[in-house]
Amino acid sequence: DAGITQSPRHKVTETGTPVTLRCHQTENHRYMYWYRQDPGHGLRLIHYSYGVKDTDKGEVSDGYSVSRSKTEDFLLTLESATSSQTSVYFCAISYGPPNEQFFGPGTRLTVL
Amino acid sequence: AQKVTQAQTEISVVEKEDVTLDCVYETRDTTYYLFWYKQPPSGELVFLIRRNSFDEQNEISGRYSWNFQKSTSSFNFTITASQVVDSAVYFCALSEEVDAGNMLTFGGGTRLMVKP
Repeated sequence: DAGITQSPRHKVTETGTPVTLRCHQTENHRYMYWYRQDPGHGLRLIHYSYGVKDTDKGEVSDGYSVSRSKTEDFLLTLESATSSQTSVYFCAISYGPPNEQFFGPGTRLTVL
Repeated sequence: AQKVTQAQTEISVVEKEDVTLDCVYETRDTTYYLFWYKQPPSGELVFLIRRNSFDEQNEISGRYSWNFQKSTSSFNFTITASQVVDSAVYFCALSEEVDAGNMLTFGGGTRLMVKP
């Protein structure tokens, strides 16, 4: 199994509060990704990173920011959480194209 | 833009039946990669297979087999002699070579329920 952990695993927060989700890997993969999973939509890419301090936007990046100061950590921040950001968030890692991505266990976020 | 469609949202079968999960994709790239992932009730995503666009050979792994047909832009997944443990949501995904980020575009998923 790929060494990927996500924290927290569950979080309930209120609208307007900032939230940071952490993804940590022990596999030294260059690429890291944040997806959100919503019913009927599969998984959709929020942001990804192709190296330390190198990030880019995905399909649904509005309202999210990311940072990667170390190879092993990729942070996803919701500056001001909204109810539409209630979702399950998955982190993934990869050696890069064209390799498969390996996913973390997910974080269930509820914004009230 | 790329797109993946899994038209079957839910499938219910009885154990030992064969079942095929459909996946249709759209891409303008000539080089691309297709993937299947399994998401059991516990919630994690498990990688099953990767196939590149130049390899149209069907693949078999135990009770699992995959049929890739470029002519119909399909990458279908068949489970032979289904078991209760196969109950899960299955996702098909696409990655294009032109995309330096190796981003995956997922279909909406097919929930498979295998009843004893």
